[in-house]
Amino acid sequence: KAGVTQTPRYLIKTRGQQVTLSCSPISGHRSVSWYQQTPGQGLQFLFEYFSETQRNKGNFPGRFSGRQFSNSRSEMNVSTLELGDSALYLCASSPGQELDTQYFGPGTRLTVL
Amino acid sequence: AQKVTQAQTEISVVEKEDVTLDCVYETRDTTYYLFWYKQPPSGELVFLIRRNSFDEQNEISGRYSWNFQKSTSSFNFTITASQVVDSAVYFCALSGGYSGGGADGLTFGKGTHLIIQP
Repeated sequence: KAGVTQTPRYLIKTRGQQVTLSCSPISGHRSVSWYQQTPGQGLQFLFEYFSETQRNKGNFPGRFSGRQFSNSRSEMNVSTLELGDSALYLCASSPGQELDTQYFGPGTRLTVL
Repeated sequence: AQKVTQAQTEISVVEKEDVTLDCVYETRDTTYYLFWYKQPPSGELVFLIRRNSFDEQNEISGRYSWNFQKSTSSFNFTITASQVVDSAVYFCALSGGYSGGGADGLTFGKGTHLIIQP
C-alpha cells in the first residue's frame, strides 16, 4: 500500500498570504489528522477529520482550517500568514476507529517571510 | 490534561553501545495508548510501536525493546547494539480517549535527538 502523501513538500510564502496544503491518506483510511511541528512548541495537534467532518480540533486560531473530501483526501488552509506559522506540517492517516495508530506523511515545510 | 515528558534532549553514544530513551506520561484516562515514533532527517514520522494501557508486557523487536511500567507512568525504549542508522529524533506519544466523538490527537513529548557515532 502506498503511504501518506503530502503536497507540496516545500512552500515559501510572505506574511499576509494564505496557503493550502494537501494530504492523501493511505488507501482505506478514513481519518486524517494534521499536526504542526516547530522547534519551540514541538508537535501540536491541529485537527482531525473523519468522513468529511471535523471531529476534533486543537488549540489553534481560526486562521487554521481544513476540510476533507469524499475520497478522504484532506486539505488544510492557513489564512493571513504570520512569521510564526513557519513550520513542518504533518498529516497522519488512520482507519478511523478509536485509538487507531496514526501513520504520518513526509510533511510540508512552510516558510513564511 | 495529558502530558508526555522526554527529559533527555540529546543523547550521543558510540556505535554498538546500548541506549535507553526515557518517556514519562500523565493522563487521567483509564484507556490509552502509548507510541514511539522515529523522525529521521527527512522529516517523516515513522511508527515504531503501540502499547495499550492494559498490556504491561515488555516487547522486543530485533534490537529494539520497550519497557512499559504503569506504576511509574513510564514507557522507555532501548536500542541494543546501536547503529549509525539509528540516528534520529525519537518521539514518545500518548493517545487518550475520545472527547465529543472525535480523536483528541496524539500528545507528543519534545523528542530525544539520538546521535550514534561511528
